[in-house]
Amino acid sequence: GENVEQHPSTLSVQEGDSAVIKCTYSDSASNYFPWYKQELGKGPQLIIDIRSNVGEKKDQRIAVTLNKTAKHFSLHITETQPEDSAVYFCAASPHTGRRALTFGSGTRLQVQP
Amino acid sequence: GAVVSQHPSRVICKSGTSVKIECRSLDFQATTMFWYRQFPKQSLMLMATSNEGSKATYEQGVEKDKFLINHASLTLSTLTVTSAHPEDSSFYICSATGQTNTGELFFGEGSRLTVL
Repeated sequence: GENVEQHPSTLSVQEGDSAVIKCTYSDSASNYFPWYKQELGKGPQLIIDIRSNVGEKKDQRIAVTLNKTAKHFSLHITETQPEDSAVYFCAASPHTGRRALTFGSGTRLQVQP
Repeated sequence: GAVVSQHPSRVICKSGTSVKIECRSLDFQATTMFWYRQFPKQSLMLMATSNEGSKATYEQGVEKDKFLINHASLTLSTLTVTSAHPEDSSFYICSATGQTNTGELFFGEGSRLTVL
């Protein structure tokens, strides 16, 4: 089955700096890669996703890059704000929406004001 | 975006009792629902996949007789933790996907179960 590894486990940045979280996956059949933000005591919220036919996607301060050859994808948050502080999870799935996601272990991002 | 609602958000029960958690898709028909479990400071682990009108498919190591899943309609799936024990205390989260293959999974807010 799929195995997703995520690094780092914790990340502390100063407000205004950029944050980068990286994930690798094992199943070459995976073609859907979402990123979720989870705040304490709440369910995950989708912040951005990318499919295998695209190498990069951007939405305001958030961007995701995908390297299918190397089987890794990354989340980039620019101009970080204290409200960006949360746990971020990457995930992978072989079929969009039809198969369950395999999640990474999570990254706790702390943005220092 | 689409809304998935879970109820209850928190439940405390005594050891040996059964607890039912509901997962509803409020504005779309969920052909497939997934149930995850999340222990403190850990990732989400898939427990089972349920398709409307058919039996759930459980992940390895998840006891189907202990975690009963019913997906009787396109808007409702339930997870029943039977004879709950303290080690079942966890955050249970459902997610749902609709008939259109857009890829996005919508997550509920989660249900925190505490077994005393």
